[in-house]
Amino acid sequence: NAGVTQTPKFQVLKTGQSMTLQCAQDMNHEYMSWYRQDPGMGLRLIHYSVGAGITDQGEVPNGYNVSRSTTEDFPLRLLSAAPSQTSVYFCASSYGGGGEDTEAFFGQGTRLTVV
Amino acid sequence: GESVGLHLPTLSVQEGDNSIINCAYSNSASDYFIWYKQESGKGPQFIIDIRSNMDKRQGQRVTVLLNKTVKHLSLQIAATQPGDSAVYFCAETGKTGANNLFFGTGTRLTVIP
Repeated sequence: NAGVTQTPKFQVLKTGQSMTLQCAQDMNHEYMSWYRQDPGMGLRLIHYSVGAGITDQGEVPNGYNVSRSTTEDFPLRLLSAAPSQTSVYFCASSYGGGGEDTEAFFGQGTRLTVV
Repeated sequence: GESVGLHLPTLSVQEGDNSIINCAYSNSASDYFIWYKQESGKGPQFIIDIRSNMDKRQGQRVTVLLNKTVKHLSLQIAATQPGDSAVYFCAETGKTGANNLFFGTGTRLTVIP
């Protein structure tokens, strides 16, 4: 059971480039989300999805797009990378809609540097 | 708006001692709280959770206490071990989305052998 898998683990982009961070889970979780973690800060929610075909914005959605065509995959797209998007990105998935079912399982993270 | 924060950014304890990590939250409507442990280079790992209708919940070597009157949450780790060294985050789900987590800034726990 792989859990939540993120690729790549490391990425360096030039300003203005676009790329997609991949996230896949094999736990049949309905809920998936993307967070970014900046130095000395907690994780902040970028986008989330409550099921295939449904996505919504979190706290810091600007500059990012998501889609959810399958239950398993939830890619995060950077449209035009900026230095302010240098961060560590975490994907998470969870089974239920609240309470004890909300336990989120996190991937190992993608460390992105924009130069 | 919602905010979750921690009183102390760092905490050092002797191996075998008990650790207490504190967290304050501002949204009185928050109904579910979780503690996560994050080791270097890894994603957050679930430790323990508590609902707003509870004051205390115990797990293996960990206890979470919730004081709704002062909007304060704490994580107690008994007999702290070197493997407990990590950054600990409290998070809350509030009402904006059942699985959307709002994280505090974290406390780095260092266990001294």
